[in-house]
Amino acid sequence: NAGVTQTPKFQVLKTGQSMTLQCAQDMNHNSMYWYRQDPGMGLRLIYYSASEGTTDKGEVPNGYNVSRLNKREFSLRLESAAPSQTSVYFCASNPPRGTGPDTQYFGPGTRLTVL
Amino acid sequence: EDQVTQSPEALRLQEGESSSLNCSYTVSGLRGLFWYRQDPGKGPEFLFTLYSAGEEKEKERLKATLTKKESFLHITAPKPEDSATYLCAVQARYGQNFVFGPGTRLSVLP
Repeated sequence: NAGVTQTPKFQVLKTGQSMTLQCAQDMNHNSMYWYRQDPGMGLRLIYYSASEGTTDKGEVPNGYNVSRLNKREFSLRLESAAPSQTSVYFCASNPPRGTGPDTQYFGPGTRLTVL
Repeated sequence: EDQVTQSPEALRLQEGESSSLNCSYTVSGLRGLFWYRQDPGKGPEFLFTLYSAGEEKEKERLKATLTKKESFLHITAPKPEDSATYLCAVQARYGQNFVFGPGTRLSVLP
């Protein structure tokens, strides 16, 4: 099992450019999440998907869109990147309650710089 | 609103010098409190889940405890390889989301 994978690992964008961050998990988890991590602020939830076909906003959704393509894949799109979106982005998943360890599993992260 | 704070922000220890990290939380009905370890350039890695006040869990040199308002991560006789950022998170009983604290950056000097 690869767990949670993310692509790309690094990305530099210019202000106004768009891009999609990809995330996939092979653990048959229903719930998937996108976080951003900034120095001193911990992990902040951008969007989450409780199951295939559903998505909900988290704490900081402005400037982002998501797609739950299927049970395995959950992508995050920046339509018009801004310098304030410079951050490290983590994807995570967790199993349904009562079916496995009660925790989230994280990907390795995407380091995004917007100039 | 669910909130998590952690202290200290950073901690520097000598190898073998035991200490504790604090996680204070407010949540509308706690389902679980989670501790993670994060190494530089990597994603958080799960350590413990605690569900109710009085519960304790141990793993090697780490021991996590839980009260109704806070959790402690006790580190006994730390080694340099314990250096990392330690994150605390809570999940509410009827919620889907996890709320994270800002973390404590631990450095253990040889």
